[in-house]
Order: sequence, then structure tokens, then C-alpha cells
Amino acid sequence: DGGITQSPKYLFRKEGQNVTLSCEQNLNHDAMYWYRQDPGQGLRLIYYSQIVNDFQKGDIAEGYSVSREKKESFPLTVTSAQKNPTAFYLCASSPRWGELPGNTIYFGEGSWLTVV
Amino acid sequence: AQSVTQLGSHVSVSEGALVLLRCNYSSSVPPYLFWYVQYPNQGLQLLLKYTSAATLVKGINGFEAEFKKSETSFHLTKPSAHMSDAAEYFCAVSDAGTASKLTFGTGTRLQVTL
Repeated sequence: DGGITQSPKYLFRKEGQNVTLSCEQNLNHDAMYWYRQDPGQGLRLIYYSQIVNDFQKGDIAEGYSVSREKKESFPLTVTSAQKNPTAFYLCASSPRWGELPGNTIYFGEGSWLTVV
Repeated sequence: AQSVTQLGSHVSVSEGALVLLRCNYSSSVPPYLFWYVQYPNQGLQLLLKYTSAATLVKGINGFEAEFKKSETSFHLTKPSAHMSDAAEYFCAVSDAGTASKLTFGTGTRLQVTL
């Protein structure tokens, strides 16, 4: 089945540690995204990638890093510099970057990160 | 900068009653508008989207939304609520020129009671 796979579903991290969340898609989509979701705040864009080997900061990129070495993969690293990392993280993808009406954004199932 | 306001963080309806979830947007250019649904501990699923074609948009699961430019609104409705509709609903907007970047509202949690 085609889709977006995020792993792990639940992750616990000690303060001061970096952690990497995996996101893989087999939809052959060019564009990929990472969002953070906090209760009562909706979704906020962390990073996005328009195409392989390219990525840009979103609205809340501080304390996060990404890479896009393969079209199907867009891992997110939450570094120790992120002050409040406990949240639900959502990976997404879309066929292409741009203004086409058909360019729908599809989401993965999400990953819960808890700092202990 | 574009923004989305969802009135009511929680809405409760009886099964079989009308569902109305409100969304108002602010955009300096003609927008694209979206409604997504999220079930507990899951990702977001697209319900419907407006991309400057018909102003009344029909989506999945019997939902529809009407784009009203004069009111800058894109409210989501369903004539008859079902228990399975209980979830969180997000309205999102993007400028037509950058349709790949979405700005989300804070969400409305829909409760359906017997």
C-alpha cells in the first residue's frame, strides 16, 4: 500500500539528548514536510523540502534539523537546543511543490515524543 | 500574513443533528482552503478542499463546505451527525501562489452524543 510511514510511534528522550524521527513515503512525492502539533495550537511547520537535496526552514525551525538525501526519506532530528520538544510530530508529503490545485498534502500517522 | 480562525474549540451535537464547524480566514490574495479530520493519535485526513472552482465543495463522509468571499468564511457542515464523526477538525489556508504551505487553525473537537 502507498503511504507515509513514521517511526517510532512513541519515543522517550532524556533532556540533553538528540533524537531522530523517521519519515518514509512510497508515493513518489517530490515535496515533504514536518509539522509539530501541541494541544490547542493546531499544527506548525518546522521544515519543508521541495525536492530531494533541498530543504527550507518553516515557522519554528529552531532546535530542529533535517536532511533529504533520498526522495522517499525526510528524517527530523530534535536536538538538545529545542527547549520544549514534547509534542506530536507529523510528517507529510505532496506530489509537487507549487500552486497546482491538485497538489494535496497527505499526512503520516504521527510520532509522539516525550522528554523525561 | 494569512491566518485561520476556528470558532469554538469544542462542539457537541446529538447523533442525527446538523454539524456546523466554523472557519474564517484572512488572506491578502485568493486562497486555497482545506478541512482535515484527525482521529485520536492519528495523522490528518483530507475531508475537502476549495481551489477557486465551485464555491460549494463536497467532501468525504457526507461533509461539505461553502466558500463565502464576502464573509471570508469556509464553514464545514454535515446534515446528520454520526457517532463515527467524533474527532478533531482543522481548517487550513494557503495562498494560491504557495499552495504547498498551509496555515492551520487551532482545531475544533467534535463530540457526538446519543
